[in-house]
Amino acid sequence: DADVTQTPRNRITKTGKRIMLECSQTKGHDRMYWYRQDPGLGLRLIYYSFDVKDINKGEISDGYSVSRQAQAKFSLSLESAIPNQTALYFCATSERQGAHYEQYFGPGTRLTVT
Amino acid sequence: KNQVEQSPQSLIILEGKNCTLQCNYTVSPFSNLRWYKQDTGRGPVSLTIMTFSENTKSNGRYTATLDADTKQSSLHITASQLSDSASYICVVESGGSYIPTFGRGTSLIVHP
Repeated sequence: DADVTQTPRNRITKTGKRIMLECSQTKGHDRMYWYRQDPGLGLRLIYYSFDVKDINKGEISDGYSVSRQAQAKFSLSLESAIPNQTALYFCATSERQGAHYEQYFGPGTRLTVT
Repeated sequence: KNQVEQSPQSLIILEGKNCTLQCNYTVSPFSNLRWYKQDTGRGPVSLTIMTFSENTKSNGRYTATLDADTKQSSLHITASQLSDSASYICVVESGGSYIPTFGRGTSLIVHP
């Protein structure tokens, strides 16, 4: 399995603060993703990157930005955190396996904005 | 807009019983359909994946079916165990870039 790590695992911050969530992977996968998960809503795609120079907006990118510093690192920033960004955030990587891409998820970061 | 709908939203069954979870989708163009298991507070883990031409795929006690004509899938769990308690998420990937659309999940609770 891909080793996908996320830091921090838990974070409490105040409204208006800038915060960065970091994701690292050790398997050399080109594709990386950021999702948020809210109770009852499932996972929603924020941003995705197919390689270091290819970054794309997902379904809910407003209020977020990302940086792909290297193949192994994909960071998510909240420029000015607001309470409705309180959620569980997952980073994922994927690699091609035959006719599909297999996704591997990190352990998640629980973010609370007060 | 691509959508994936799952039912039921939640389900409680007794240990040892079977159950079936449903997934309907309106994703185009279709690439793959995947079922994930997500334990509370953890990332999803893939159970099965099916392409357009596959209509059934098994992984131990989990069996997924796909009807690409009606755009429906099901996940059947046989002889449930307490460890099956989790959220089960249906995901449909579209287009050549395989961008996923997630369902909201079915929360399964298995009681002893």
